[in-house]
Amino acid sequence: GQQVKQSSPSLTVQEGGISILNCDYENDMFDYFAWYKKYPDNSPTLLISVRSNVDKREDGRLTVFLNKSGKHFSLHITASQPEDTAVYLCAAGGNTEGADRLTFGKGTQLIIQP
Amino acid sequence: DAGVTQTPRHEVAEKGQTIILKCEPVSGHNDLFWYRQTKIQGLELLSYFRSKSLMEDGGAFKDRFKAEMLNSSFSTLKIQPTEPKDSAVYLCASSLGRNQDTQYFGPGTRLLVL
Repeated sequence: GQQVKQSSPSLTVQEGGISILNCDYENDMFDYFAWYKKYPDNSPTLLISVRSNVDKREDGRLTVFLNKSGKHFSLHITASQPEDTAVYLCAAGGNTEGADRLTFGKGTQLIIQP
Repeated sequence: DAGVTQTPRHEVAEKGQTIILKCEPVSGHNDLFWYRQTKIQGLELLSYFRSKSLMEDGGAFKDRFKAEMLNSSFSTLKIQPTEPKDSAVYLCASSLGRNQDTQYFGPGTRLLVL
């Protein structure tokens, strides 16, 4: 089964609203959680990441919330703008036997309507 | 500093051909990843190298996919023989490799197998 799951393939939000993107994971050994952003015909780029020793991290309009007991993390984008329209990929990983690798969700297409 | 570079950017192959995709990671990065990206499956890990050593070789892809890293600044992904279902975008990424550092993605190679 999918170790990292984004249950919503798409989300539409009005400009100025709050976009909330969700991600669930299965492996409770994961201790690193990240969100990547991908524009059409471009590669993913890191937006924000958080380690398991915190349950929240803010960076400008972005906030990541981590719920370890629920194996869930989310990305909140406040004051959503048309340029936020993109595919958002969540990723999770853990340092196992000296190896670092990420498992990605399939992505959520966020559409910000003017 | 140059980011991750991949060549070719586009490749068209006939079924049964052998194709080789190339990747140059960010200078100084220790970890290198090969992914396949499709709309249905999202990002799937094909291979993962740390300091040129193969750490993970994605199980489902072993029979026709072979990644190599002969030196720290160059990696190849060979698909032999190609099948139409291999049509996808192939992404290479690299990271410093210290406890979940950011993965930097290349522009990808778009492969079409006829």
